[in-house]
Amino acid sequence: GAVVSQHPSRVICKSGTSVKIECRSLDFQATTMFWYRQFPKKSLMLMATSNEGSKATYEQGVEKDKFLINHASLTLSTLTVTSAHPEDSSFYICSARLAGRFYNEQFFGPGTRLTVL
Amino acid sequence: AQSVTQLDSHVSVSEGTPVLLRCNYSSSYSPSLFWYVQHPNKGLQLLLKYTSAATLVKGINGFEAEFKKSETSFHLTKPSAHMSDAAEYFCVVRRYNFNKFYFGSGTKLNVKP
Repeated sequence: GAVVSQHPSRVICKSGTSVKIECRSLDFQATTMFWYRQFPKKSLMLMATSNEGSKATYEQGVEKDKFLINHASLTLSTLTVTSAHPEDSSFYICSARLAGRFYNEQFFGPGTRLTVL
Repeated sequence: AQSVTQLDSHVSVSEGTPVLLRCNYSSSYSPSLFWYVQHPNKGLQLLLKYTSAATLVKGINGFEAEFKKSETSFHLTKPSAHMSDAAEYFCVVRRYNFNKFYFGSGTKLNVKP
């Protein structure tokens, strides 16, 4: 139980295009999902907290107009990288918190490798 | 402010020998602490967590960690390494009553046959 999937697992796009990454909780409902970014040989950095039915909360330094987050249902959150540039190339990981569960539980997806040419 | 320091970026052990992955934290409040493992092309998997109960926490796959408040440490140990333990390990701190997780920089564990 508590499986989180991400799609796609890998994406390559041209500079200037937009890319959408999906994060789904497969067997549970998640009122809150989180988006992280992982640079090569670096740690995970929280980008934003996504709450179902409301606007995402972005961490300091993360451009909300560049990284659009939508959490339209209790099982799906999407991250859209708009007008992507090579510096946006990274590994993006989402996590989900079970609805009604204590704050300690977060379940992570397998990640999406984005390469911008 | 919360932060996590993983003291070793790489650790290499022989199969069957003990594993020690070090983690120090700073937190203004009572923290919750976690260890996650990341295998290549796999999601992060929770190994164990400390949430102000017993200071010695046992996790999956024979791993355990001890919360030492006086040393602000939460080191991960395993008595005998297995080849399948080779992966990246992350120490994570969560401030009490907040959703946010703060990740350490990670330690890559290599297990030699």
